Amino acid sequence: KNEVEQSPQNLTAQEGEFITINCSYSVGISALHWLQQHPGGGIVSLFMLSSGKKKHGRLIATINIQEKHSSLHITASHPRDSAVYICATGGTSYGKLTFGQGTILTVHP
Amino acid sequence: GAGVSQSPRYKVAKRGRDVALRCDSISGHVTLYWYRQTLGQGSEVLTYSQSDAQRDKSGRPSGRFSAERPERSVSTLKIQRTEQGDSAVYLCASSPETLGDSNYGYTFGSGTRLTVV
Repeated sequence: KNEVEQSPQNLTAQEGEFITINCSYSVGISALHWLQQHPGGGIVSLFMLSSGKKKHGRLIATINIQEKHSSLHITASHPRDSAVYICATGGTSYGKLTFGQGTILTVHP
Repeated sequence: GAGVSQSPRYKVAKRGRDVALRCDSISGHVTLYWYRQTLGQGSEVLTYSQSDAQRDKSGRPSGRFSAERPERSVSTLKIQRTEQGDSAVYLCASSPETLGDSNYGYTFGSGTRLTVV
């Protein structure tokens, strides 16, 4: 059974800071997703990764398949980045996703 | 529309009542999942289906959860005899790929927040 652990569970930052959220998983996967959910809002898919690194604007996601670890970085953080960030992994069984517990990010102006 | 939409956004149900949640997925998407998400406790798969299955497979041992797919791009999650522990966000996600494919991209709905009182 795949277990997905995120750290930290809560993160507070000042505007402009560089932010890193980590995700570790326990079994081999075919892809990993980073998702964002604003308070009261829906879930937005930020990245889907199977290897290496992806960048979109101020967001960067990396994955190390050998170490079973992924990171989501936010450069020059802004209060509008305040949201819950969720890591979800896709296994080889039926393609279903296993979600991490989520990281609550609060960026203060 | 271009995305996955779920309705209602919010639902309050009395304990013991049945509820139905709707998901309109993307035309042409083959696989559809229902997840239940509780912040701090992660998420679990409830059901999944491929486009040729009218009735989804339920992963819930209690059997109170089932989903029907009357049209290829529409799914209804039914929860019978709701319990307070069913209070959560219910997410629908669809993918253009079939089950077991190693490359897939999910599109998520915005979720339905169910509160059982």
